[in-house]
Amino acid sequence: AQTVTQSQPEMSVQEAETVTLSCTYDTSESDYYLFWYKQPPSRQMILVIRQEAYKQQNATENRFSVNFQKAAKSFSLKISDSQLGDAAMYFCAYRGGNDMRFGAGTRLTVKP
Amino acid sequence: KAGVTQTPRYLIKTRGQQVTLSCSPISGHRSVSWYQQTPGQGLQFLFEYFSETQRNKGNFPGRFSGRQFSNSRSEMNVSTLELGDSALYLCASSLIGRGNEQFFGPGTRLTVL
Repeated sequence: AQTVTQSQPEMSVQEAETVTLSCTYDTSESDYYLFWYKQPPSRQMILVIRQEAYKQQNATENRFSVNFQKAAKSFSLKISDSQLGDAAMYFCAYRGGNDMRFGAGTRLTVKP
Repeated sequence: KAGVTQTPRYLIKTRGQQVTLSCSPISGHRSVSWYQQTPGQGLQFLFEYFSETQRNKGNFPGRFSGRQFSNSRSEMNVSTLELGDSALYLCASSLIGRGNEQFFGPGTRLTVL
């Protein structure tokens, strides 16, 4: 079974600094997608960034970028110039075949 | 476009009862997925519907069921409620295709007493 592991239950970052959230996954599929979703407190989950396994180039969305290491099955999220509004639960997600799985989440705190 | 809406937002039931939750996807989205979110188990995939057909199913007992209507609206039903069914139930809609973004609703908070 495919699993998604986020080894950091909580992370903290100073405003304006950079933080990296880790995610590893296990799969036997060759074609799949990876996502990072953000769930702010008492607000709806929203997509931060997505990566297609066949694309070697790491995805980037403004201050958010990923480090996708397919061989290592690693998919980390880097947040640059952290802002107070980045405080949230971040979930790494895998979608391949008929499967959609989420990691346990990392709670990110941003200190002013 | 209006976002994904879920009703009701909060629900309190007792053990043994059944419950039906509703989800209205974003207009034009034909794929609807349901998830259970709990502090202990995190986000777990329940099922996905497309064009009124269940495409995928997570590892949940048969007490959990769902359906999708011709207008893409979806309902999920939980019968014979157990205390462990207390959770936030999230619905997400998307265009068809695994790489497409899922848009999540605000969830229904179910409490089983």
